[in-house]
Amino acid sequence: QVQLVQSGAEVKKPGASVKVSCKASGYTFTGYYMHWVRQAPGQGLEWMGWINPNSGGTNYAQKFQGRVTMTRDTSISTAYMELSRLRSDDTAVYYCARPQEWLVPLSWFDPWGQGTLVTVSS
Amino acid sequence: DIVMTQSPDSLAVSLGERATINCKSSQSVLYSSNNKNYLAWYQQKPGQPPKLLIYWASTRESGVPDRFSGSGSGTDFTLTISTLQAEDVAVYYCQHYYTTPPAFGQGTKLEIK
Repeated sequence: QVQLVQSGAEVKKPGASVKVSCKASGYTFTGYYMHWVRQAPGQGLEWMGWINPNSGGTNYAQKFQGRVTMTRDTSISTAYMELSRLRSDDTAVYYCARPQEWLVPLSWFDPWGQGTLVTVSS
Repeated sequence: DIVMTQSPDSLAVSLGERATINCKSSQSVLYSSNNKNYLAWYQQKPGQPPKLLIYWASTRESGVPDRFSGSGSGTDFTLTISTLQAEDVAVYYCQHYYTTPPAFGQGTKLEIK
């Protein structure tokens, strides 16, 4: 079955960077864009950006421009999201999510990864 | 950017009664060339990722109970749960995928009265 499995929880100090992985299985990795969405504690869902796993092309939300880098390793069907210069308000659960439609950047998201909690604290 | 606004922020409904959640987009998400509304609904329970319920504003995802239905067009949309069950307690989000950036509503928390 189609599945996205993310890396484990992280604790980082302010100013550090974090890199979260999302391993895909059950489908052709290069045929579907991958998005990243985050959710601060008790808050709503915030879109961060997407990567085209085929070309490596990216599109980031303006809020994260200059701090986020999305990459992929097609040999192991894994997408990565790295966020730098972390602040306390970056504490959140980070999700990878796959659009439903082949080679289309925007679509409804299904499936989602299980989420990775990133805690930023001194 | 298109902004999504849900109402109400929270809702308490008795078991077996109808629950209605509204979602409004700041501009139309209806694509005229295919007459489709680029709008999805999700359910999120504590500690879980969002679960897809509805896409194209009214198409129910496979396996989703038929008490869940979506309606609306253009800028105004509704998620209806016809007869509330205990397992429907969750936060519900609408999301547009009309253009980049896609965006979510702020969420509606549904509880049992």
